[in-house]
Amino acid sequence: QKEVEQNSGPLSVPEGAIASLNCTYSDRVSQSFFWYRQYSGKSPELIMSIYSNGDKEDGRFTAQLNKASQYVSLLIRDSQPSDSATYLCAVKNGGKLIFGQGTELSVKP
Amino acid sequence: DADVTQTPRNRITKTGKRIMLECSQTKGHDRMYWYRQDPGLGLQLIYYSFDVKDINKGEISDGYSVSRQAQAKFSLSLESAIPNQTALYFCATSDKGQGYTGELFFGEGSRLTVL
Repeated sequence: QKEVEQNSGPLSVPEGAIASLNCTYSDRVSQSFFWYRQYSGKSPELIMSIYSNGDKEDGRFTAQLNKASQYVSLLIRDSQPSDSATYLCAVKNGGKLIFGQGTELSVKP
Repeated sequence: DADVTQTPRNRITKTGKRIMLECSQTKGHDRMYWYRQDPGLGLQLIYYSFDVKDINKGEISDGYSVSRQAQAKFSLSLESAIPNQTALYFCATSDKGQGYTGELFFGEGSRLTVL
């Protein structure tokens, strides 16, 4: 079992809809969780971090963490075609980041 | 100019050849990392270094070696390249503080093809 698991997708949503991206992790002691966005042919960039159970909102993005279920999610409200990218979930382990497989999101106009 | 620079950006080589990918940074960060990206597999950590005298294996270190020549330079070597090492390789850095927050700063990637 991979340490960090994501559905690889692709996930397709219409413009204006909510996109929901999910991630599970195996190490119960993990404390820090991150979402990176990677456009095709580009490097990953950090878009959200979350450390406590519950929700964290930043603009159209909401990260959700449930440590009991070892589950992290990213919601993108009012999805735009410019949100089309691969979203990578990452978990901090001993000072380094372990990434999931990534979920490809396509937002259709 | 990019803060994290990788060279070469593209390389085609043959099986059995030795290859070195270089990474230099101007961010003044202590921590440097090498990741490999394959379609559908996300980013896999190869090696990481928290300072000049510190080298650690990651998830997939077999077939790779690294050298931390200075705070700003971290090189990845493939001693004898094989076709399944064909991938996109990313160098990344983080500051100690950002190492605790998780923000990595990535180079633009080096695409390696082994024939």
